[in-house]
Amino acid sequence: SAVISQKPSRDICQRGTSLTIQCQVDSQVTMMFWYRQQPGQSLTLIATANQGSEATYESGFVIDKFPISRPNLTFSTLTVSNMSPEDSSIYLCSVLGIGGDEAFFGQGTRLTVV
Amino acid sequence: AQKVTQAQTEISVVEKEDVTLDCVYETRDTTYYLFWYKQPPSGELVFLIRRNSFDEQNEISGRYSWNFQKSTSSFNFTITASQVVDSAVYFCALRRQAGTALIFGKGTTLSVSS
Repeated sequence: SAVISQKPSRDICQRGTSLTIQCQVDSQVTMMFWYRQQPGQSLTLIATANQGSEATYESGFVIDKFPISRPNLTFSTLTVSNMSPEDSSIYLCSVLGIGGDEAFFGQGTRLTVV
Repeated sequence: AQKVTQAQTEISVVEKEDVTLDCVYETRDTTYYLFWYKQPPSGELVFLIRRNSFDEQNEISGRYSWNFQKSTSSFNFTITASQVVDSAVYFCALRRQAGTALIFGKGTTLSVSS
């Protein structure tokens, strides 16, 4: 299994600012993903974080708003830029285990934008 | 297209009742994986089960059981003798072949009262 440490666990931010969320895995993984869960909603995939190259974004999400870095096989960051109250959500990092069968999730970052 | 439907938005039961959470999926792939996760009020995602498309055997784990039927594209989850601690949002998810992100249903909120 993979243990994921996600920081911060929660934050309250002012509109117009940016927040960077970190995701650290205790083992090398091939696939890392970032999800958003808006209040009372399901999880929506933001992007796949690719090691050494630009992330692959899903429809409706753009790099300028959600820049992602993945400098190595165990670490990734997601930045929520120029935040507005609509960005208030839980952001989750996810990785696939060896063999690609199991999916593991971080504990999430609960973001509130005021 | 891949899709997961959880038609039950909210379910309320009294402790010790049995409850079944429905999940219907759509995919054209012959190889795919189905998951159930529990999300308690604290927000983290708790993995419950993974099933691949070649394994239609039903599974029982304590008070939890899962019924996978490819003929009806369903992967239903039953909790026997429900308890207050079972109160949470339950997500069904689908993934294509290994290495891709999960697609989540909208979730079912289960409330168990004493």
